[in-house]
Amino acid sequence: QKEVEQNSGPLSVPEGAIASLNCTYSDRVSQSFFWYRQYSGKSPELIMSIYSNGDKEDGRFTAQLNKASQYVSLLIRDSQPSDSATYLCAVKQAGTALIFGKGTTLSVSS
Amino acid sequence: EAQVTQNPRYLITVTGKKLTVTCSQNMNHEYMSWYRQDPGLGLRQIYYSMNVEVTDKGDVPEGYKVSRKEKRNFPLILESPSPNQTSLYFCASSAPGYQNTEAFFGQGTRLTVV
Repeated sequence: QKEVEQNSGPLSVPEGAIASLNCTYSDRVSQSFFWYRQYSGKSPELIMSIYSNGDKEDGRFTAQLNKASQYVSLLIRDSQPSDSATYLCAVKQAGTALIFGKGTTLSVSS
Repeated sequence: EAQVTQNPRYLITVTGKKLTVTCSQNMNHEYMSWYRQDPGLGLRQIYYSMNVEVTDKGDVPEGYKVSRKEKRNFPLILESPSPNQTSLYFCASSAPGYQNTEAFFGQGTRLTVV
């Protein structure tokens, strides 16, 4: 069974620090990787997508992908209290639906 | 505006009374899915559809039905709701392929079965 694993947290960081969120996946042929942010009671919103090995940066967010290790991470620089949310990792291969991890709860203290 | 629309947003119903939660997308996406989200359990897939008239069970299909008669609509049907189906439900759609295939989510439906 295809699985996506995340530490549930909570991950607590002080304001201004770097938050590092990790995700591993079981299906070696996965091709597309996504990070979603979800505030309590709200729908998930896409933050980053990454498709090839290496780093992808967008503002304060950096996604890192290592297909050999089946590992994808999200770094949030200069963390803000508004970043406090649950972060969902999602993985898919062409022709299939997304598979979500259970999410990591991030708490940024001011 | 690209969007996935769910209705209703909130619903309180009684055990055994059939209900339907509607989901519609305007992006011409082939893939549509229903998820339920419960504290500590993350997003769990109920049913998904890869195209019109093609549906398949997800991880937690018991007690639910779906249909996909048109590409844009994917209703979730609870024939005889029970209290253990009290949850937050999300519909999502996405395109097939490799890139630009992220899921777009509806606003969610908070269902309470008493």
